[in-house]
Amino acid sequence: KNQVEQSPQSLIILEGKNCTLQCNYTVSPFSNLRWYKQDTGRGPVSLTIMTFSENTKSNGRYTATLDADTKQSSLHITASQLSDSASYICVVKYNNNDMRFGAGTRLTVKP
Amino acid sequence: KAGVTQTPRYLIKTRGQQVTLSCSPISGHRSVSWYQQTPGQGLQFLFEYFSETQRNKGNFPGRFSGRQFSNSRSEMNVSTLELGDSALYLCASSYGAQQGTQYFGPGTRLLVL
Repeated sequence: KNQVEQSPQSLIILEGKNCTLQCNYTVSPFSNLRWYKQDTGRGPVSLTIMTFSENTKSNGRYTATLDADTKQSSLHITASQLSDSASYICVVKYNNNDMRFGAGTRLTVKP
Repeated sequence: KAGVTQTPRYLIKTRGQQVTLSCSPISGHRSVSWYQQTPGQGLQFLFEYFSETQRNKGNFPGRFSGRQFSNSRSEMNVSTLELGDSALYLCASSYGAQQGTQYFGPGTRLLVL
């Protein structure tokens, strides 16, 4: 069954700390994996897109990793800021046109 | 460059009615995708249009339909509304299909009473 699972479901960290969000998938054949950040009441914003051959991709303080062998991806946030409080959604595209969405991780950064 | 715009932003309808939502992509973008987002189901893909042709469709009933115009603007229609159709409907545009970065609009929040 084609699934995308994210963990943890929610996370609370203190401002300035680092954190890592996980995305595991079982979809096949893999096309690409995207991480999105969605602020409350707004549309998602693309953070990274990773294809099969890419292991790491950074976007500022966000670094995504992909292990296509184990079908795992992570999103690492460095030196968190209050504005990082949002839902982070992992989306995997497969079979060329199909896609599966993770349920998201709700991150809260506290001062 | 203006972002993706969606109208209306909020909408209240009653069961059985139909609704049309509009999406204007970023200038120059030819691909428009629609998504439904609910607290229980999360984000779900509805359909994608590219150059006025539907390229991909998610697992939604035929009550959900869409179209794209020659200027890349897109509309989504839901007929015979049900309570469960209450959701945030998001539109995203990209220059090309497949691998391109998608830019999302703010969404239309639909409430069905």
